[in-house]
Amino acid sequence: AQSVTQLGSHVSVSEGALVLLRCNYSSSVPPYLFWYVQYPNQGLQLLLKYTSAATLVKGINGFEAEFKKSETSFHLTKPSAHMSDAAEYFCAVSFSGGYNKLIFGAGTRLAVHP
Amino acid sequence: GAVVSQHPSRVICKSGTSVKIECRSLDFQATTMFWYRQFPKQSLMLMATSNEGSKATYEQGVEKDKFLINHASLTLSTLTVTSAHPEDSSFYICSARSDRGFNEAFFGQGTRLTVV
Repeated sequence: AQSVTQLGSHVSVSEGALVLLRCNYSSSVPPYLFWYVQYPNQGLQLLLKYTSAATLVKGINGFEAEFKKSETSFHLTKPSAHMSDAAEYFCAVSFSGGYNKLIFGAGTRLAVHP
Repeated sequence: GAVVSQHPSRVICKSGTSVKIECRSLDFQATTMFWYRQFPKQSLMLMATSNEGSKATYEQGVEKDKFLINHASLTLSTLTVTSAHPEDSSFYICSARSDRGFNEAFFGQGTRLTVV
């Protein structure tokens, strides 16, 4: 079965520290992969997406992610955390091409402390 | 990016009544819209996929008579929760897929439904 796993439901970092949010997927076909951010009581905003082009994808707000086929991973990173990065982050995968159906991971809540 | 407007953002209703939630794509046409449900501190669960002018496709376990979806135009889809019960209280989010570019989907801001 196709699935997305986000390791760590909560991640806490200091302001200025590296942010690393983990995402692994299982699929028998090449996936499209996405990271979304959700602020309290709001919808989702797309941070970045992998669509079978460059394996290192740069997104908004200084985030980037690297698609590693051998590890079936798409981890999200940011070199230096800001207080405003505190939010819920979701990894999602589409297996039928484009955005036909997104399967979401359970989410990772990022806390940033001074 | 494109804008998807979801209304209302919050609604409180009594048990047994029906509630309608609107999802509009403001500056693009969306042949496909998706409705998700999100429980507290959990991920999004796809409820149904709606295509303009045709019946919605519901995910397994989602009651189509309970959650009525209408996608009457290329810019509007509605979700009606019929005969609401307290267990229907949740955060509902829609997304609309653009017909241009990579068919990217954009999300509405969500609707917090509380049934009392």
